[in-house]
Amino acid sequence: DAGVIQSPRHEVTEMGQEVTLRCKPISGHNSLFWYRQTMMRGLELLIYFNNNVPIDDSGMPEDRFSAKMPNASFSTLKIQPSEPRDSAVYFCASSLALTTGELFFGEGSRLTVL
Amino acid sequence: KNQVEQSPQSLIILEGKNCTLQCNYTVSPFSNLRWYKQDTGRGPVSLTIMTFSENTKSNGRYTATLDADTKQSSLHITASQLSDSASYICVVSPGGHNAGNMLTFGGGTRLMVKP
Repeated sequence: DAGVIQSPRHEVTEMGQEVTLRCKPISGHNSLFWYRQTMMRGLELLIYFNNNVPIDDSGMPEDRFSAKMPNASFSTLKIQPSEPRDSAVYFCASSLALTTGELFFGEGSRLTVL
Repeated sequence: KNQVEQSPQSLIILEGKNCTLQCNYTVSPFSNLRWYKQDTGRGPVSLTIMTFSENTKSNGRYTATLDADTKQSSLHITASQLSDSASYICVVSPGGHNAGNMLTFGGGTRLMVKP
């Protein structure tokens, strides 16, 4: 199994530019999560999809952030316009059995906004 | 408010030594507690899961304990190796079908094992 695949692994962009992060969950998993990790705040849930439907997006910082899951094998997290405070590592995770709480994380996308 | 507190925040030990990481939680209801290991530059990977009825569980050199009464868990690493250098994250779940947005993450303990 290839695991959760994220791209790009690293992104450096200038303030004001649009950033799109991509995620392919593990086949058969029905839940997908986007997290943001910083040294100060640790892992924070941004949005959670179940069966491709957004269940909870209360963690999305503001309207500059949006996420989509057009099908069971693909999701995007978009930031437009990006700001320096968005610099962080963004993780995508998928899960099959939420009752046991196991998440399978991708390797993350490290975003630097100059 | 559901919270998970981990201690210490960081720890440096010599290779071959043992160490214990702590996790205290106030999450309610409680279904399970999971320890993740996150290597630098990688995503977290599950080490072990503790459910309400389990007191201790081992995974190689890693042994997790759970005291559901005091709401405390520990992760003990025996005979540490350089590859144990990582962050260890405690995550508590209330359980349930749509528990995905109810997971509570600790801030992690950053462990460095020196030769």
